[in-house]
Amino acid sequence: QKEVEQNSGPLSVPEGAIASLNCTYSDRVSQSFFWYRQYSGKSPELIMSIYSNGDKEDGRFTAQLNKASQYVSLLIRDSQPSDSATYLCAVNAAGFQKLVFGTGTRLLVSP
Amino acid sequence: DTGVSQDPRHKITKRGQNVTFRCDPISEHNRLYWYRQTLGQGPEFLTYFQNEAQLEKSRLLSDRFSAERPKGSFSTLEIQRTEQGDSAMYLCASSLGLGKDTQYFGPGTRLTVL
Repeated sequence: QKEVEQNSGPLSVPEGAIASLNCTYSDRVSQSFFWYRQYSGKSPELIMSIYSNGDKEDGRFTAQLNKASQYVSLLIRDSQPSDSATYLCAVNAAGFQKLVFGTGTRLLVSP
Repeated sequence: DTGVSQDPRHKITKRGQNVTFRCDPISEHNRLYWYRQTLGQGPEFLTYFQNEAQLEKSRLLSDRFSAERPKGSFSTLEIQRTEQGDSAMYLCASSLGLGKDTQYFGPGTRLTVL
């Protein structure tokens, strides 16, 4: 079992719709969770971080964390074509500094 | 620009050659990380430094790979006797090293081994 799992996609949504990206992780001691956006050929760019169960909102982005289910998600409201990218879920275990990444979900937002 | 910088951005080399990459972290960031990313995969952790001390190394980091951060500022990653399988994007990230730490990535160095 992979440590961090994401559906590779592509996830296709029309402009203005809500995009829902999901991630599961296997290590129960994980304590920090991050979503990075990566455009083709570019490096990862931090979108959101979340540490506690529940929702965290930042503009059009909402991160949701459920530690009991070992599940973290990212919602993008009013999706724009410029949101088309690969979204990487990353997890950091307690006592360790490295991030463990999923393979990413490719999002396509059509005009 | 006060973000993480990496040099060179692209490197093409022949198999068997040595290459060295440089990373300059965000000013005052104590932690510096190296990751490797191949096509279709997420970044994979290689190693990290707390100031000048190298505190963790991945099993991915074979003895052909060495990293240094001599003065706790910039870091170098050297690959000796490159192989075609070393072709990847090499990413550097840095973080403040306090509390709920967040890593910020540089633009990466894309290595192609012919």
